[in-house]
Amino acid sequence: GQQVMQIPQYQHVQEGEDFTTYCNSSTTLSNIQWYKQRPGGHPVFLIQLVKSGEVKKQKRLTFQFGEAKKNSSLHITATQTTDVGTYFCAGWGSNSGGSNYKLTFGKGTLLTVNP
Amino acid sequence: EPEVTQTPSHQVTQMGQEVILRCVPISNHLYFYWYRQILGQKVEFLVSFYNNEISEKSEIFDDQFSVERPDGSNFTLKIRSTKLEDSAMYFCASRLALTLTGELFFGEGSRLTVL
Repeated sequence: GQQVMQIPQYQHVQEGEDFTTYCNSSTTLSNIQWYKQRPGGHPVFLIQLVKSGEVKKQKRLTFQFGEAKKNSSLHITATQTTDVGTYFCAGWGSNSGGSNYKLTFGKGTLLTVNP
Repeated sequence: EPEVTQTPSHQVTQMGQEVILRCVPISNHLYFYWYRQILGQKVEFLVSFYNNEISEKSEIFDDQFSVERPDGSNFTLKIRSTKLEDSAMYFCASRLALTLTGELFFGEGSRLTVL
């Protein structure tokens, strides 16, 4: 079945440093989504990327979707303590693989920020 | 802002007991999901539900699990005979049906502890 892999598993940074997490799927995705889960919280939707090679920005966050629609990245510029949490990528399948009824999550990257 | 609500927030049960976790999805959503998250681990898909039937289920969702939408507003997950390894946070999620794939709105979760 479809697998979504994410690295690194953990990342500790000093406040102000940049952070990047990478996501790879075993199958082509119809779209990819990113969620943030604060410690003790529930996943909250951040963004969805649909087009091959798409890049979207939300303030200090930059999201990319690979040309082959099998990989993605999230980059945070100048991290702040409010960025602490686990960042998950998640993918719906496509006609070539995966499922249209199941959103598969990566294992997530836990970001901690030292003030 | 509309939200997904879940009850109970925490349930402690003895191994072998039946548990019912309840969810009220966002009112105009038509797709419903259960995910679970063992402490510190990934968000795992259990089941998707649409038009009063299961769309897809994972290997985890065996005969001990069942879902129901009994009254048009509640969406329940039943575990017939709980095992120690069922201890986890269970998240309900829902989404609109405007597109085949879209963002999921998660509830705050129900923490299940099996003793």
